[in-house]
Amino acid sequence: QKEVEQNSGPLSVPEGAIASLNCTYSDRGSQSFFWYRQYSGKSPELIMFIYSNGDKEDGRFTAQLNKASQYVSLLIRDSQPSDSATYLCAIFMEYGNKLVFGAGTILRVKS
Amino acid sequence: GAVVSQHPSWVICKSGTSVKIECRSLDFQATTMFWYRQFPKQSLMLMATSNEGSKATYEQGVEKDKFLINHASLTLSTLTVTSAHPEDSSFYICSAIGGKAEAFFGQGTRLTVV
Repeated sequence: QKEVEQNSGPLSVPEGAIASLNCTYSDRGSQSFFWYRQYSGKSPELIMFIYSNGDKEDGRFTAQLNKASQYVSLLIRDSQPSDSATYLCAIFMEYGNKLVFGAGTILRVKS
Repeated sequence: GAVVSQHPSWVICKSGTSVKIECRSLDFQATTMFWYRQFPKQSLMLMATSNEGSKATYEQGVEKDKFLINHASLTLSTLTVTSAHPEDSSFYICSAIGGKAEAFFGQGTRLTVV
């Protein structure tokens, strides 16, 4: 089992819709969870981080964490064409004290 | 967010030579720095984790003698690709973590070995 798993996509949504991105992880002891956005040829940029179970909202973005199910998601409301990118889920794993990334999900927002 | 500066942003070198990449945290002290490699259309692959003043921890399959990591201070880590070969051509990215395990990335270094 991979340490962090994401559906590679591409996920296509129309402009204005909600995009839902999902991620599962293997290390039950993980405490910190991150979502990054990466445009082609660029370095990842942090969108949100979440430490506690439940939802965390920041503008159009909502991160959801369920530690019992080892599942973290990112919702993007009112999706815009500029949101088209690869979204990377990252987990700070207590085991090994390292930050591990999923393969990323390609999101395409069509106008 | 915090600033992590990576230098150079791109480099072309001849096969067999060594290349050094620097990663600096400009406005915070990085307790841990990570080095990743990303091939085209693939995700970031963790190469190693370095903590200030101690030896880096390398991921399985990463040659420690080829990819030398030095984390001399709380604001600087370097990655040296020794005896580079064309297959080492890739996008190398560093990440630094301060207090809350919130990781910030450098701009990345695109290495081309010819």
